[in-house]
Amino acid sequence: GAVVSQHPSRVICKSGTSVKIECRSLDFQATTMFWYRQFPKQSLMLMATSNEGSKATYEQGVEKDKFLINHASLTLSTLTVTSAHPEDSSFYICSASSRGRKNTEAFFGQGTRLTVV
Amino acid sequence: DAKTTQPNSMESNEEEPVHLPCNHSTISGTDYIHWYRQLPSQGPEYVIHGLTSNVNNRMASMAIAEDRKSSTLILHRATLRDAAVYYCILRDRLNDMRFGAGTRLTVKP
Repeated sequence: GAVVSQHPSRVICKSGTSVKIECRSLDFQATTMFWYRQFPKQSLMLMATSNEGSKATYEQGVEKDKFLINHASLTLSTLTVTSAHPEDSSFYICSASSRGRKNTEAFFGQGTRLTVV
Repeated sequence: DAKTTQPNSMESNEEEPVHLPCNHSTISGTDYIHWYRQLPSQGPEYVIHGLTSNVNNRMASMAIAEDRKSSTLILHRATLRDAAVYYCILRDRLNDMRFGAGTRLTVKP
């Protein structure tokens, strides 16, 4: 299957700083990317959907000014957690798909465990 | 509002088949049924997907009810490495990829 690389896998940052997470599709054109957040023992919660070259569509309750998503190319999307606070500590996961087609599988990154101290 | 319903947990013995059910009574005619699984501390991985007919691949099989209101993921011989949370997902919009609670599968040696 296709490969989606997410970096970093773990990050610890101080409260009030910003953290950038990268998600790269290594061998296919990711026209649509999804960003999720997952708390311990819970399911993945969709934060936003982004199509290459367009602004991301955020789910209700997700602050777009706090979770900045950039999807400027077909192989790279980034999520920046701005002014991070301890409650933002979570497991963040990206997923990439081609043209948002529902009859194709989505491929996931390895996840980023963010700890805000 | 999850569009699929799965049991919270299931247990299986190693090397025995496992049938993981999923109910999706509000499925529309053009929804694809996808299955993914997530091992601890990892991102989900694709397992299988289909529309109407039963499908097979090297990882698993999926049986889809005739009315498409339910499906079953079949692992033919469970191994310890199959212990994971299994998610059944309907893709009903081009940009939709939402997860329900999933089924936590425990495989006993």
